[in-house]
Amino acid sequence: GNSVTQMEGPVTLSEEAFLTINCTYTATGYPSLFWYVQYPGEGLQLLLKATKADDKGSNKGFEATYRKETTSFHLEKGSVQVSDSAVYFCALSGTQGGSEKLVFGKGTKLTVNP
Amino acid sequence: DAGVIQSPRHEVTEMGQEVTLRCKPISGHDYLFWYRQTMMRGLELLIYFNNNVPIDDSGMPEDRFSAKMPNASFSTLKIQPSEPRDSAVYFCASSWEQGGRTQYFGPGTRLLVL
Repeated sequence: GNSVTQMEGPVTLSEEAFLTINCTYTATGYPSLFWYVQYPGEGLQLLLKATKADDKGSNKGFEATYRKETTSFHLEKGSVQVSDSAVYFCALSGTQGGSEKLVFGKGTKLTVNP
Repeated sequence: DAGVIQSPRHEVTEMGQEVTLRCKPISGHDYLFWYRQTMMRGLELLIYFNNNVPIDDSGMPEDRFSAKMPNASFSTLKIQPSEPRDSAVYFCASSWEQGGRTQYFGPGTRLLVL
């Protein structure tokens, strides 16, 4: 079945450092790929998405490119801020029956220190 | 729009009691999802509905859990009887057919069963 593997956390960075959170997936067909962010005490929020190969999703300085050849969707940001401290989830949509379901990775906790 | 609304935000109860969690999806959305989040198991999909009809309840842990969606603007998740291992944060999310499978999450209900 479809699955998502994202890098284990926690990740601790200093402000203005470069961020990469790796995400790889296994899926049949052509899923859509998502990054969600969860701030402390809140629900998950969509950060960005990509719906087909080579698409780049971007938002708030974060980017991720849908790489079908490497089945990856790594999240990057050039200069993180303290306010980016949160848990980040990679997810993919279903591709067949039940395509509205999302399969989530386990989440990566990011802490940015001033 | 107000977003997905969940109530209560916090619930503390004793083992054996009935617990009812409530969700109001975003108006116009035709899919509704219930998730459970714990440190040990991460984010788990419990059940989802399409046009008020349950589509997949394979994630419901056992018969103590039940979910209903009597109309397009309201859903409940009930646990009867509750057990300490049910302690978790429960999220409701909604999406719509034309929304590219993007799910919008509520703020969650933090349940503690003593």
